[in-house]
Amino acid sequence: GESVGLHLPTLSVQEGDNSIINCAYSNSASDYFIWYKQESGKGPQFIIDIRSNMDKRQGQRVTVLLNKTVKHLSLQIAATQPGDSAVYFCAEQYSGGYQKVTFGTGTKLQVIP
Amino acid sequence: GAVVSQHPSWVICKSGTSVKIECRSLDFQATTMFWYRQFPKQSLMLMATSNEGSKATYEQGVEKDKFLINHASLTLSTLTVTSAHPEDSSFYICSAPKGGGTDTQYFGPGTRLTVL
Repeated sequence: GESVGLHLPTLSVQEGDNSIINCAYSNSASDYFIWYKQESGKGPQFIIDIRSNMDKRQGQRVTVLLNKTVKHLSLQIAATQPGDSAVYFCAEQYSGGYQKVTFGTGTKLQVIP
Repeated sequence: GAVVSQHPSWVICKSGTSVKIECRSLDFQATTMFWYRQFPKQSLMLMATSNEGSKATYEQGVEKDKFLINHASLTLSTLTVTSAHPEDSSFYICSAPKGGGTDTQYFGPGTRLTVL
């Protein structure tokens, strides 16, 4: 059910600075990881993904780092813009898990103009 | 890119009524679709896996008789919330993988359900 008073972790960043959002995943068997962006009232939007045989992947203004040893994932956004303000979720998948996606708790990114 | 749509985008209903939400894959076929529920300021929680031509698979704690899922075609899955109550008010989101294996999930825009 709904939890009253629950707040997402918030990261406030000045426009133009770089943002780093961190995530700890739970299943050591997970072999596919995805970052999603969710704006208020909308569905999650794919940002970038990485497979477990890699430790870094770069996209346009975004980089994902994977540390399997400590089950840690991070998303780096370069030159953060106001349009980057949203909630960011990391997600994990296991190839033997029938394509089920497990979402992390989420981080709210606030970009200060 | 792949597009998944949902209908309606929002719905308000009275307690005790049933509500049907549709999820469509617009430019690809999906033998599997997923239904999530999201409460305010929380993450997405997987409710069930919708399988074309067979029964849905429900996550632990999700009542299959309350949340009826029908995956009648390769592009359409429906979620019916039966005898809805205020605690069912939530944001319901579907997703579909475009290909086999651990492929990217494409998410619908979500349906906001408010039960009065």
